[in-house]
Amino acid sequence: DTAVSQTPKYLVTQMGNDKSIKCEQNLGHDTMYWYKQDSKKFLKIMFSYNNKELIINETVPNRFSPKSPDKAHLNLHINSLELGDSAVYFCASSIQETQYFGPGTRLLVL
Amino acid sequence: DQQVKQNSPSLSVQEGRISILNCDYTNSMFDYFLWYKKYPAEGPTFLISISSIKDKNEDGRFTVFLNKSAKHLSLHIVPSQPGDSAVYFCAADTQGSNYKLTFGKGTLLTVNP
Repeated sequence: DTAVSQTPKYLVTQMGNDKSIKCEQNLGHDTMYWYKQDSKKFLKIMFSYNNKELIINETVPNRFSPKSPDKAHLNLHINSLELGDSAVYFCASSIQETQYFGPGTRLLVL
Repeated sequence: DQQVKQNSPSLSVQEGRISILNCDYTNSMFDYFLWYKKYPAEGPTFLISISSIKDKNEDGRFTVFLNKSAKHLSLHIVPSQPGDSAVYFCAADTQGSNYKLTFGKGTLLTVNP
């Protein structure tokens, strides 16, 4: 009965490829997020959706496109992957301020 | 521009003693603060939070103290246990920000048996 799940857990791919990461939450939360944790270990928000509506869109290259088919899912599609995209991507969901995180997807771009 | 700073990258304490993790912030608009704990290869887990209208919040072995004038908060863990060994992240939020949390860089706590 995982609360926030992400697939895949690991993703190794070549530069220039397009990849997607999926996220699902079964907590009934209205808001979902994508975070990136880079090599310096900072956790930075990328996007947030509330009831399928984009409410936070940080300064992220437009190669990154989130999609929320329903309020329990928030997927992240990345086009034309670059070396600098290598990071751990965390999905989260929340009701008000407290956010619940998924286990992370470790992306390595070669 | 780091608005939330955790200046100690690591901390080591003996089992049974107190662990004190510190966090400083620069944005005076922050009005809600959270601590998260993260084990390797897992996502951060919510630990405890505090609103800016309070100066202390306690939950079992965990207590968070907030000093608004100093823009400083701390997490106390008493007594520390080996299972507390993890990275601890401080995060801050501003009302009306759509719950956009700003995280510190984290402090690795090691509790030695």
